[in-house]
Amino acid sequence: DAGITQSPRHKVTETGTPVTLRCHQTENHRYMYWYRQDPGHGLRLIHYSYGVKDTDKGEVSDGYSVSRSKTEDFLLTLESATSSQTSVYFCAISEQGALETQYFGPGTRLLVL
Amino acid sequence: AQKVTQAQTEISVVEKEDVTLDCVYETRDTTYYLFWYKQPPSGELVFLIRRNSFDEQNEISGRYSWNFQKSTSSFNFTITASQVVDSAVYFCARRDAGNMLTFGGGTRLMVKP
Repeated sequence: DAGITQSPRHKVTETGTPVTLRCHQTENHRYMYWYRQDPGHGLRLIHYSYGVKDTDKGEVSDGYSVSRSKTEDFLLTLESATSSQTSVYFCAISEQGALETQYFGPGTRLLVL
Repeated sequence: AQKVTQAQTEISVVEKEDVTLDCVYETRDTTYYLFWYKQPPSGELVFLIRRNSFDEQNEISGRYSWNFQKSTSSFNFTITASQVVDSAVYFCARRDAGNMLTFGGGTRLMVKP
């Protein structure tokens, strides 16, 4: 199994509060990704990183920001959480970019009340 | 957007039956990769297979087999002699020249004893 952990694994928060989710990898992979999973939508890419301090937007980036100050950590921040951001969030990693398989972390279940 | 479609949202079979999960994709690229992932009830995403667009050979791995047909833009997944442990949601995904992995909506497979 790829060495990917996510924290917290479960979180309940209130509308309007900021939330930060952490993804940590021990594989020294260059690429890291954040997805959200919602019923009927499969997984959708929020943001990804192709190196320290290098990030780009995905399909559903509005309301989210990311940071990557170290190779092993990729943070996802919900600047002001809304109920529509209730979802399961998955982090993924890949050694390189487009040609490589992505391996996923265990997921974080977020409920915004 | 170029979609990945899994038309079967739920399939129910009895143990030992064969079952095929369909995946149809759209792409304008000549180079792309196709993937299948399994999401068991525990929630993690497990990588099953990756195929590139230049390799149309079908693949078999134990009870699993995959049929890739570029002419119909399909990448179907067959489980032979299904078992209860195969019960999961299965996702098909496509990766093109960019860094985005586009997922289908998933097929929930229930294998009853």
